[in-house]
Amino acid sequence: EVQLVESGGGLVKPGSSLKLSCVASGFTFSSYGMHWIRQAPKKGLEWIALIYYDSSNKYYADSVKGRFTISRDNSKNTLYLEMNSLRSEDTAMYYCAKSGYGYNYFDYWGQGVMVTVSS
Amino acid sequence: EIVLTQSPTTMAASPGEKVTLTCRASSSVSYMHWYQQRSGTSPKLWIYETSKLASGVPNRFSGSGSGTSYSLTINSMETEDAATYYCQQGSSYHTFGAGTKLELK
Repeated sequence: EVQLVESGGGLVKPGSSLKLSCVASGFTFSSYGMHWIRQAPKKGLEWIALIYYDSSNKYYADSVKGRFTISRDNSKNTLYLEMNSLRSEDTAMYYCAKSGYGYNYFDYWGQGVMVTVSS
Repeated sequence: EIVLTQSPTTMAASPGEKVTLTCRASSSVSYMHWYQQRSGTSPKLWIYETSKLASGVPNRFSGSGSGTSYSLTINSMETEDAATYYCQQGSSYHTFGAGTKLELK
């Protein structure tokens, strides 16, 4: 059974940093691209980052480019999202998601971790 | 950026009723994917590559479309289908529609 478990969220002040983790199990983690997707309270879904299976390529949404960094450690079956210069508009539930075929869709999602940016 | 417009924003359907949700893209996309999100839970892949049902999805659901116009259809609404449905394209980066909230009448 595929499982994705996020951690590392919390309440932080504007301008600060936070690092999220997502531990994967139930599939060969090193063979699949992985994504981070977020959802602001009562809002829709926003894709924010993709990393290829071997970390050879990384892509970001314009809203986080230059502030957020996606990375992975295939030896630990773990995906990361390092978030710097956090803003109030980054307040959201953050989901990690496994890529479906061709990196085009998301076939499994974690339960999400909440990040709140507030003074 | 490809913008996805879903309609309606909200709708209510009675058990047994046929339901069609639509998603229009600002530019042509190769495929459309759909997710179901029940209140307080994470989204689930529901339909991928326009018309393929994800594992465990009842066959009363179907997907169709091409180019800039796509739809998700429920043949006969059931109680458990009440949820928000999001369309998503992966042809050019990734974008989601704003969602259609489907309620039980």
